[in-house]
Amino acid sequence: QVTLRESGPALVKPTQALTLTCSFSGFSLNTIGESVSWVRQPPGKALEWLAFIDSDDDKVYSPSLKTRLTISRDTSKKQVVLTMTNMDPVDTATYYCAGPHNVHLGVWGKGTTVTVSS
Amino acid sequence: EIVLTQSPGTLSLSPGDRATLSCRASQSLTKKYISWYQQRPGQAPSLLISDVSIRANGVPDRFSGSGSGTDFSLIISELEPEDFAVYYCQHYSPSPPGLTFGPGTKVEIK
Repeated sequence: QVTLRESGPALVKPTQALTLTCSFSGFSLNTIGESVSWVRQPPGKALEWLAFIDSDDDKVYSPSLKTRLTISRDTSKKQVVLTMTNMDPVDTATYYCAGPHNVHLGVWGKGTTVTVSS
Repeated sequence: EIVLTQSPGTLSLSPGDRATLSCRASQSLTKKYISWYQQRPGQAPSLLISDVSIRANGVPDRFSGSGSGTDFSLIISELEPEDFAVYYCQHYSPSPPGLTFGPGTKVEIK
């Protein structure tokens, strides 16, 4: 059974960096075609895809945010980490990780809510 | 970059009604990489349909997807109370690689 769970700070200050961890099980991220994506959703707004990392360690970012994002993986720990720099109040959102493929996101974590405020 | 437009923004219907949700792509899609998700209030999205028309495991057959080119649809044949939610379409682009979500359609109780 594939599961994913997000963890990270609930509150970050403007200009700080946000680091989120996605812990997954039920797949390895070593099999061709597997990947983990990050998606966010500001309160009352639509879903926005941020990035994915795949079994080849290829990293793909949203064009609008790529200068601020870094995604990495630790397959031994079964974790994917997303870092977003220079946080702003408009980045306040629920952040989800999802997988285990990138063509469609079959399983989602419950999400973690991040508020950006001083 | 593909842009997805969903219509209508809100659909007001009654239980038992048929719902037709539209997703339009800004350019013709050569691959069937269109998926649909349901998001109930306070919950994470869940996959309903992949590859335009393939229902995910456990998804009732009242949900169906269709379409090609630039126009795609999600149809809910007879709305159940639990179907009132927000629905998003999503496209995967292999080149350049990336995902795009539509703005969503809210199906609300009339």
